Amino acid sequence: DVKVTQSSRYLVKRTGEKVFLECVQDMDHENMFWYRQDPGLGLRLIYFSYDVKMKEKGDIPEGYSVSREKKERFSLILESASTNQTSMYLCASSPQWGAQGNQPQHFGDGTRLSIL
Amino acid sequence: KQEVTQIPAALSVPEGENLVLNCSFTDSAIYNLQWFRQDPGKGLTSLLLIQSSQREQTSGRLNASLDKSSGRSTLYIAASQPGDSATYLCAVEHGSGNTGKLIFGQGTTLQVKP
Repeated sequence: DVKVTQSSRYLVKRTGEKVFLECVQDMDHENMFWYRQDPGLGLRLIYFSYDVKMKEKGDIPEGYSVSREKKERFSLILESASTNQTSMYLCASSPQWGAQGNQPQHFGDGTRLSIL
Repeated sequence: KQEVTQIPAALSVPEGENLVLNCSFTDSAIYNLQWFRQDPGKGLTSLLLIQSSQREQTSGRLNASLDKSSGRSTLYIAASQPGDSATYLCAVEHGSGNTGKLIFGQGTTLQVKP
């Protein structure tokens, strides 16, 4: 089974701090994704990556950056945390597009981040 | 702009009932449609993926259908069980090819009472 592991289940940080959320997958997937999930707004894509050192903006990239130095790890960075970034953050991975046909994304259990 | 809507937002049924969850999308130019399950405080688990050229997919007691022209999908759950209680999300991968960018509905929260 694919395992997507997010380093923290719960995290509390202060406004203005630089925050790192880490995600590791063990299935050699090329594609990795970061979403945030908010009541009433659902899941929204922040950034995704289809290869090492490659990144693409999703629908709501403002205030975030990402890093993918190794294939298995995809980090989400909040450059200067703000209270409106309090949310549940979900990481996902999937195989290279086309290599195995349509394949679903596999999700981690999420990090619930509170910014005080 | 593609929008995905799920109705109802919440549903409560007695154990053993067959039920249908609905998903609609505004733009028929989709690459695939996916159904996920989310348990409280957890991530998403993929249930079924329907490619744009397909009409339905089945897995055990679950059957998902897709009507691209009308912008609708349904998830049918047969003989519901308390363990089916969760939030069910549908998502479309928009466009003519793999982009990986999913657009999600807000989900239907299902409670199956023993």
